[in-house]
Amino acid sequence: DTAVSQTPKYLVTQMGNDKSIKCEQNLGHDTMYWYKQDSKKFLKIMFSYNNKELIINETVPNRFSPKSPDKAHLNLHINSLELGDSAVYFCASSQVIPALVAGDTQYFGPGTRLTVL
Amino acid sequence: GNSVTQMEGPVTLSEEAFLTINCTYTATGYPSLFWYVQYPGEGLQLLLKATKADDKGSNKGFEATYRKETTSFHLEKGSVQVSDSAVYFCALSDRADRGSTLGRLYFGRGTQLTVWP
Repeated sequence: DTAVSQTPKYLVTQMGNDKSIKCEQNLGHDTMYWYKQDSKKFLKIMFSYNNKELIINETVPNRFSPKSPDKAHLNLHINSLELGDSAVYFCASSQVIPALVAGDTQYFGPGTRLTVL
Repeated sequence: GNSVTQMEGPVTLSEEAFLTINCTYTATGYPSLFWYVQYPGEGLQLLLKATKADDKGSNKGFEATYRKETTSFHLEKGSVQVSDSAVYFCALSDRADRGSTLGRLYFGRGTQLTVWP
C-alpha cells in the first residue's frame, strides 16, 4: 500500500507541450506539497496546499498550476514546457497542526522524472 | 530567516568506516530537525528526527543530536555499509511558521555518500 503515489514515473515530451503530473496520498494528511529537484539534487519547494487551499506559492512561473480537487490529491499542470523544466518533481504530504508539539514529518512520493526535449 | 547548511560532498568511505555529515541551521523560532535519505532512483525517506534541544534521533545505526548551543544536527554512523550509499539531506521545520510558510521544510543541499566494499 503506497502512502504517496505519483504518476507518471517518467515523462518525456517536446518543448511547448502541456503536461500533468498526478499525486495521491492515502495517509489522511491535510497538507500536500510539490518540490522540484534539479540535476545537482537541490530540492526547492514549489507549492503547498492545506485542506485544498493554496498556502505556499514560491517564485514559480505561472506556467505551473497546481490543482487540489480534494485533500488526498494534488496535481501539477505545466503549460508550454521549456528545457529548464527538466527535473525530478516530488510530491509530499504531512499533517500540519499550528500548535504542533512534534516535528512535521513529510512523506514523499517516488518522484516523476520530466525530460523536455 | 530559516536555512540549513550541510557539508558538501561527495563523501567516499570504505565499508565499516565511521561517518559524519555536518549540518548547521539558522531558525527564527523553534525548529524540529530531520535527516532524510534518498537512495538511487527513489524518493526521500525520513531517516531520523529530533523535535527539541538535546533530543537524539536514531534509526538503522544512524544518530544525530539536536544541539541548540551550536545550532547543529550532525549525522553519524559508527560503521557504514555499501547499502548506505545514498544522498542525505538535513532539513528543518519551524513550528513558529504561520501563514504562507506553514508546514514548510527547509532543506540543505544534500550530501552524496558512496561506500566501497
